Amino acid sequence: AQRVTQPEKLLSVFKGAPVELKCNYSYSGSPELFWYVQYSRQRLQLLLRHISRESIKGFTADLNKGETSFHLKKPFAQEEDSAMYYCALSGRGGYQKVTFGTGTKLQVIP
Amino acid sequence: EAGVTQFPSHSVIEKGQTVTLRCDPISGHDNLYWYRRVMGKEIKFLLHFVKESKQDESGMPNNRFLAERTGGTYSTLKVQPAELEDSGVYFCASSPTGPSYEQYFGPGTRLTVT
Repeated sequence: AQRVTQPEKLLSVFKGAPVELKCNYSYSGSPELFWYVQYSRQRLQLLLRHISRESIKGFTADLNKGETSFHLKKPFAQEEDSAMYYCALSGRGGYQKVTFGTGTKLQVIP
Repeated sequence: EAGVTQFPSHSVIEKGQTVTLRCDPISGHDNLYWYRRVMGKEIKFLLHFVKESKQDESGMPNNRFLAERTGGTYSTLKVQPAELEDSGVYFCASSPTGPSYEQYFGPGTRLTVT
């Protein structure tokens, strides 16, 4: 069975401090990994996906297959980063359902 | 261009009543998904349409839930009869045909069953 685990419900950091949102997954095979974000009063939106290997809004995420982790990192948190972050996965190929974690609320303290 | 829209934004009904949620995907998106987030739990997949066909309905909780997508455009999700545990936020998402895996989400419908 596929599963995504986000151990932290809430993560509070000061502005300018580094951020790491943890995500571990279980999946038979090689999944696609994503981070979705939901800002206050906005809809859920894709932040980044591992196949793109890109940095969005200063965030990066490295897939560690050995540890089955896909942690989201940013070196210097900004107040506008405060939001709900969801780690997610899907199968490769075709149009696959997305399995989400329970989400981590990031609170950046000014 | 308008994104995915959902109606209503919030619905409060009594146990045993029927509710129909509607989702309008982004124009031209063949793939349409329904998800649900029950309070305190993760967002869970319900089903996936490709045009008007149900591609995967493995996440539908029981036969009180009926999803349709007539004509391959908008979709409806009917809950009949509603139970207390059906309360939550129902999300719709759509994606285009092609190699992109990005799903575009609607704002969600908050369903409260009392």
